Amino acid sequence: KAGVTQTPRYLIKTRGQQVTLSCSPISGHRSVSWYQQTPGQGLQFLFEYFSETQRNKGNFPGRFSGRQFSNSRSEMNVSTLELGDSALYLCASSLRLAGSTDTQYFGPGTRLTVL
Amino acid sequence: TQLLEQSPQFLSIQEGENLTVYCNSSSVFSSLQWYRQEPGEGPVLLVTVVTGGEVKKLKRLTFQFGDARKDSSLHITAAQPGDTGLYLCAGPFGNEKLTFGTGTRLTIIP
Repeated sequence: KAGVTQTPRYLIKTRGQQVTLSCSPISGHRSVSWYQQTPGQGLQFLFEYFSETQRNKGNFPGRFSGRQFSNSRSEMNVSTLELGDSALYLCASSLRLAGSTDTQYFGPGTRLTVL
Repeated sequence: TQLLEQSPQFLSIQEGENLTVYCNSSSVFSSLQWYRQEPGEGPVLLVTVVTGGEVKKLKRLTFQFGDARKDSSLHITAAQPGDTGLYLCAGPFGNEKLTFGTGTRLTIIP
C-alpha cells in the first residue's frame, strides 16, 4: 500500500508570497494532520482535518490555513510568507480522528525556503 | 519551555555500545510514542506506551513509560550504524494531535 505522499518536495518562495502544499494520505485514512519542523522549535502541530472539517488547531497565526477534500487529500496554505516560515512541513495520516494510541504515518515532507 | 524535554540533545557513540535517551515532562500523558526520523524523511513510529511502568522491547530497543506517566526512556543495546537518526518522543496533549519532544540526534560511529 502506498505511503503518504507530499508535493512538492522542495519549494523556494520570497517574502510576502503565498504557498500551497499538498498531501495525499494512505488509502482509507480519513485523518490528516500537518506539522512544521524547524531546527529551533522542533516539530509543532499545525492542524488536523477529518471528514473535510478542521478538528484541532495548534498555536499558529491565521496565515496558516488548510482544507481537506472528499477523497481525504489535504492542502495547507501559508499567506504573506515570512522568513521564519522556512521549514519542513510534514503531513501525517491516520485511520481515525481520536485515540491516543492512533498510529500516524508521516510523509517525507515539503522543504519550504523563504528568501 | 517545551512540554516534552529530551536528553541528551546530541549523542555520538561507537558501534556496539549501549545508550539511553530520556523524555521528561512535568505533565501527565495518557500515552507516549517514540519515533525515529532519518534525513529527508518523515518520522516513523517505533512504539506506543500506554500504561504507567510499561516496558516494551523491539529487538535491541527497550522502551519504558514512567510510573507516573510523565517520562519515558529508550535504551538501545549494542548500537549499530543503522540506529543513527533523530529520536523523538511525542504524546497527545490538549488540542494537539501530537506534541513532540525536543529530540535526540544519535550518531553511531562504525
